Amino acid sequence: NAGVTQTPKFQVLKTGQSMTLQCAQDMNHEYMSWYRQDPGMGLRLIHYSVGAGITDQGEVPNGYNVSRSTTEDFPLRLLSAAPSQTSVYFCASSAPGRYEQYFGPGTRLTVT
Amino acid sequence: TQLLEQSPQFLSIQEGENLTVYCNSSSVFSSLQWYRQEPGEGPVLLVTVVTGGEVKKLKRLTFQFGDARKDSSLHITAAQPGDTGLYLCKSGGSYIPTFGRGTSLIVHP
Repeated sequence: NAGVTQTPKFQVLKTGQSMTLQCAQDMNHEYMSWYRQDPGMGLRLIHYSVGAGITDQGEVPNGYNVSRSTTEDFPLRLLSAAPSQTSVYFCASSAPGRYEQYFGPGTRLTVT
Repeated sequence: TQLLEQSPQFLSIQEGENLTVYCNSSSVFSSLQWYRQEPGEGPVLLVTVVTGGEVKKLKRLTFQFGDARKDSSLHITAAQPGDTGLYLCKSGGSYIPTFGRGTSLIVHP
């Protein structure tokens, strides 16, 4: 099992550009989520999904879109990148009714 | 939204020392998890505590859950450089969990 994979590992964008961060898991987990991690701020939930076709907003959803067409994949889209979106992004998954989350290795995004 | 306060924010110690980090909330935890995050990687689960007063041990790490389920602590005995990382506590259910801001630990050889 690869667990949770994320691509790319690093990305630099210019203000106004759009891009998609990829996340995939091979554990057949229903629940998937996206976090951003900023210095001194901990992990903040952006969006989450409880299954294919179902998504909902987390704590900081503005500027981001998600979709969940399959159980395995949960991409995060930045519509028009802003410097405030410079951060490290983590995708995570967990099985229904389980507390533990499995995290991917992260994507470090810089917006100039 | 449940707020989690972690302390201390930073900790720099020598190999062999003991340390304790804390996670506190003003409201009751349904459950609490501790994660460790190494530089450049995602967090990895260390333990889940559910019952008030619960104590769990993982080699040199001891986790305690307060009787009132509003606080938790992580104690490391004889810290090693491999313990270096960011320690995060997390509360809540699976849908919208809350993370503390973490304790950044550096263990010097």
